[in-house]
Amino acid sequence: SQQGEEDPQALSIQEGENATMNCSYKTSINNLQWYRQNSGRGLVHLILIRSNEREKHSGRLRVTLDTSKKSSSLLITASRAADTASYFCATVEYGNKLVFGAGTILRVKS
Amino acid sequence: DGGITQSPKYLFRKEGQNVTLSCEQNLNHDAMYWYRQDPGQGLRLIYYSQIVNDFQKGDIAEGYSVSREKKESFPLTVTSAQKNPTAFYLCASRLQGADYEQYFGPGTRLTVT
Repeated sequence: SQQGEEDPQALSIQEGENATMNCSYKTSINNLQWYRQNSGRGLVHLILIRSNEREKHSGRLRVTLDTSKKSSSLLITASRAADTASYFCATVEYGNKLVFGAGTILRVKS
Repeated sequence: DGGITQSPKYLFRKEGQNVTLSCEQNLNHDAMYWYRQDPGQGLRLIYYSQIVNDFQKGDIAEGYSVSREKKESFPLTVTSAQKNPTAFYLCASRLQGADYEQYFGPGTRLTVT
């Protein structure tokens, strides 16, 4: 099963610009998590937003959650070349499983 | 260092051979997971285990087997029954409960020819 669907599939921006990625999901959730994956590596947790939260910040990251629309967005401000990676959203399903979307590939050009 | 280790990083096998991928964690996490990732795609869950000596099938368990004899270890065997085993395999672990993040190993890239 694939709970989260990211949009866009790929995003190319210039260094210094902001990058916005969106995630939609199907069922009710406890929380939604965002992860980052550098090419050929494991995933790294970025931020978790609970279902009763609407916005959360961590450094240059800003995550919003709209449970009425079953959607979330990840904003990376003042992007850097080092932000080039794939970004995945994930939700927790019954059985303590995280279900990941297909991801957004972000390329930041310097 | 605390974390999850996977070995080897690259693995090559001939078709028809079983192969076992290693995953070890020293984070004292109860739950462990195996995912498969194909090029340009997301993660698909193969198997997961929430406690020692117990595990459940994920979305794509056919052709794979696991064991969980120790809390720290969750090896994955890719059997000859797996039709298309070439992929990137990721192991992960987390504490029990919905509000915990998942920690990932560096992955094993398996190529079967």
